[in-house]
Formats: sequence, C-alpha cells, structure tokens
Amino acid sequence: AQSVTQLDSQVPVFEEAPVELRCNYSSSVSVYLFWYVQYPNQGLQLLLKYLSGSTLVESINGFEAEFNKSQTSFHLRKPSVHISDTAEYFCAVGEETSGSRLTFGEGTQLTVNP
Amino acid sequence: DTEVTQTPKHLVMGMTNKKSLKCEQHMGHRAMYWYKQKAKKPPELMFVYSYEKLSINESVPSRFSPECPNSSLLNLHLHALQPEDSALYLCASSQGTLPAQETQYFGPGTRLLVL
Repeated sequence: AQSVTQLDSQVPVFEEAPVELRCNYSSSVSVYLFWYVQYPNQGLQLLLKYLSGSTLVESINGFEAEFNKSQTSFHLRKPSVHISDTAEYFCAVGEETSGSRLTFGEGTQLTVNP
Repeated sequence: DTEVTQTPKHLVMGMTNKKSLKCEQHMGHRAMYWYKQKAKKPPELMFVYSYEKLSINESVPSRFSPECPNSSLLNLHLHALQPEDSALYLCASSQGTLPAQETQYFGPGTRLLVL
C-alpha cells in the first residue's frame, strides 16, 4: 500500500518570497500524484495533478510540481507567494491498482506574512 | 454548475439524536464520497458510491449510514454518535469512478459537534 510524507508541517514565509512544500511517497507500483489546497473553513480544491506524461505540472495560479520517480517526490513550488496563498496544502497519492484509493499526507500549513 | 453543496453548514447534536447530512452535485459526476476530517488532519475516506451503488466502505461504524437516492444526491445518516465523532464532514464527487486517479471536487463541509 502507498504512503505519503509531507516533510514540513508548517512553512512560514514572507510575501513575494519563493516557497517549496515537500512531498515524498512510497509505492511499489505506478502512482498518480495530487496537490490539494484547503483555505480556512472550506473544502479541498485541486491545485494540480500528475497522471502521466510531462513530469512538470503547473497550476493556473503560479504553482508547479515536478514528479521525480527516482527520488519518489512531488514537491510543490511557487517562485513568489502572496498573502492569499496562506492555506493548508495536502499532497495525495493513488496507485495504479484496482480498488486503490487516495492517500493524503498530513498536510503543510503555509503562512505568508507581509 | 461546478460546485458541490452541503447542508447544513453546522450541526450540534446529542448522543441520542438522529440527524442527516446532505450533499448535492449537478456536474453529472458518477462517483460521490464522504470524508471525515479532524482539526489539523487530512481527510479520512469513509464511503464511496459509484453509479449510485456503495463501492467502498472503509470499515466505518454502523452509527454512520450512507444513502445515495439518485446520481446527484448523497446523504449521511447519523445515529447515536459519540463525542469523538465531532469533525468536519466533507462530501466530494468525481467524473470517473476510480478514486485513485480522479480529480475530486469537494463541498465546503458540515461541521459537526456531538455533545
């Protein structure tokens, strides 16, 4: 079965600084990878996902993540963050096997300070 | 319409009460999900319905009873809950029925407090 590790539970940064939220996974088969964001008092929203093809995926609001199979990682990056990016970010992995579900990491609280 | 709606937003109930949570989507999605989320934790999958049939039950206690009356609606019936069941209950839906690879669209959740 798959597992997901988000290496940082909290990441404080200043506005306009770059940020990287780290995600590593463990699986013996091919995987699908997701980043979801949860703003306060809201449900989760998909930020970006990797299913196949290009290992670099981008979101519409400036985030990107790169699937690195050899390092079993899917780190999320943004070159310049805004106050409005403050939220909880969850990495999730699903396996390419019948009956697989998504497994979520413990989450990383990104706090952007002025 | 690209959203998942949930009612009520907040619910307070006693341990002997019976209540229901409701979820609705009009995106034509074929799978619907219930998750439980405790504070500062990731969502935990409870149930998945595919084509209105229960396809995944993650060994959830019988005091939680899901129901899918039609392709747009998902209910979660609650009875004899415990204080530790207090949490945010999230509903989600997806176009396809393979949970591991589908984009899931989440509702805002129902915040439940069991006294």
